[in-house]
Amino acid sequence: AAGVIQSPRHLIKEKRETATLKCYPIPRHDTVYWYQQGPGQDPQFLISFYEKMQSDKGSIPDRFSAQQFSDYHSELNMSSLELGDSALYFCASSLGPEISIAGVQETQYFGPGTRLLVL
Amino acid sequence: QQQVKQSPQSLIVQKGGISIINCAYENTAFDYFPWYQQFPGKGPALLIAIRPDVSEKKEGRFTISFNKSAKQFSLHIMDSQPGDSATYFCAASMDTGRRALTFGSGTRLQVQP
Repeated sequence: AAGVIQSPRHLIKEKRETATLKCYPIPRHDTVYWYQQGPGQDPQFLISFYEKMQSDKGSIPDRFSAQQFSDYHSELNMSSLELGDSALYFCASSLGPEISIAGVQETQYFGPGTRLLVL
Repeated sequence: QQQVKQSPQSLIVQKGGISIINCAYENTAFDYFPWYQQFPGKGPALLIAIRPDVSEKKEGRFTISFNKSAKQFSLHIMDSQPGDSATYFCAASMDTGRRALTFGSGTRLQVQP
């Protein structure tokens, strides 16, 4: 079965540089979520999109922005990178609420993650 | 402030034993509680999930017990196997269309042969 695809899998950047992470959701999934997981930490929600519109916002720094495109893939743009941005970045996808059966939560399927190292 | 508190931080169980991981939450608006399993370098994978209208859900060797009044839920892994060695996260979300998952801090489970 097709899974969530993330690219690149590994990324090394210098401080103050920019980075773009890409996420390709499972086919037919129209909702995308971004999470950040620091070393030994739990995943922290950053932002989500449903039908190309931002649907929820978590602890995403102002230096980061994201969008979802017409083909439902999403990109997380990170600028002025700091050492503390070094983490695993996960994308997850699910079916949107209008498609889910009433009272049934749709599963979020996670991608393999992008490991970002800021030097 | 951790909205979902998870314990223990680490757990060592003998093969064939029962692994028990506990979580507690504060936000009564949460009404969906999944458990995720994560292997090193991999993304979290859904194990089992429960909604507060049931007190227990079982799938194979994995069981979730849910206590709505105490705002607690737990994962039981029966007949634990070395292949179950991973980090387990409980999570919670609100079924209002805003479905961001709030994760617990994780439990590193090691099943010894």
